[in-house]
Amino acid sequence: SAVISQKPSRDICQRGTSLTIQCQVDSQVTMMFWYRQQPGQSLTLIATANQGSEATYESGFVIDKFPISRPNLTFSTLTVSNMSPEDSSIYLCSAGGPGFGETQYFGPGTRLLVL
Amino acid sequence: AQRVTQPEKLLSVFKGAPVELKCNYSYSGSPELFWYVQYSRQRLQLLLRHISRESIKGFTADLNKGETSFHLKKPFAQEEDSAMYYCALVSGGYNKLIFGAGTRLAVHP
Repeated sequence: SAVISQKPSRDICQRGTSLTIQCQVDSQVTMMFWYRQQPGQSLTLIATANQGSEATYESGFVIDKFPISRPNLTFSTLTVSNMSPEDSSIYLCSAGGPGFGETQYFGPGTRLLVL
Repeated sequence: AQRVTQPEKLLSVFKGAPVELKCNYSYSGSPELFWYVQYSRQRLQLLLRHISRESIKGFTADLNKGETSFHLKKPFAQEEDSAMYYCALVSGGYNKLIFGAGTRLAVHP
């Protein structure tokens, strides 16, 4: 298994600003994922982040809006850029890949409110 | 298109009653299906996966390819089962998860 932490746990931001969310895993993992959970909605995958390569974004999500870094096998960041109130969501990080089967382990989430 | 459908937003039962949370999927190929659970103020965690065919906390789920379903069942609900339950499907070669909308289970005393 893997234990995942995220920082910050929550934040309130002004529109037009950017926020970087950090995700730390307690062991080396091949794959990390970033999800968004809008109020009252299910989880939607934003992108898959593999170490040493560009993140792979899902339809509807672009790198300019959600740049992702994956500098090593235990860490990733997601930036929410030029925020608007529509970006108010919970952002979750997860980890998985070989060694974990298809199981993913989730962080506690970052609750973002954009005013 | 790959899709997971959970038709019930809320399922409300009394303690000791049987529970069935419905999940249907659309996927071309052999699906890998999971149930994840989120208890109040806790993170999302894996409950069970179809490939392991195990029972966790009294819950079971059987993959029915004919009906493209993966319903979650428990014969006798407990109050501590109250939580949000998500059915999920692995998609593609990168272990991406596609989640259903989730069903909130409320077990009343």
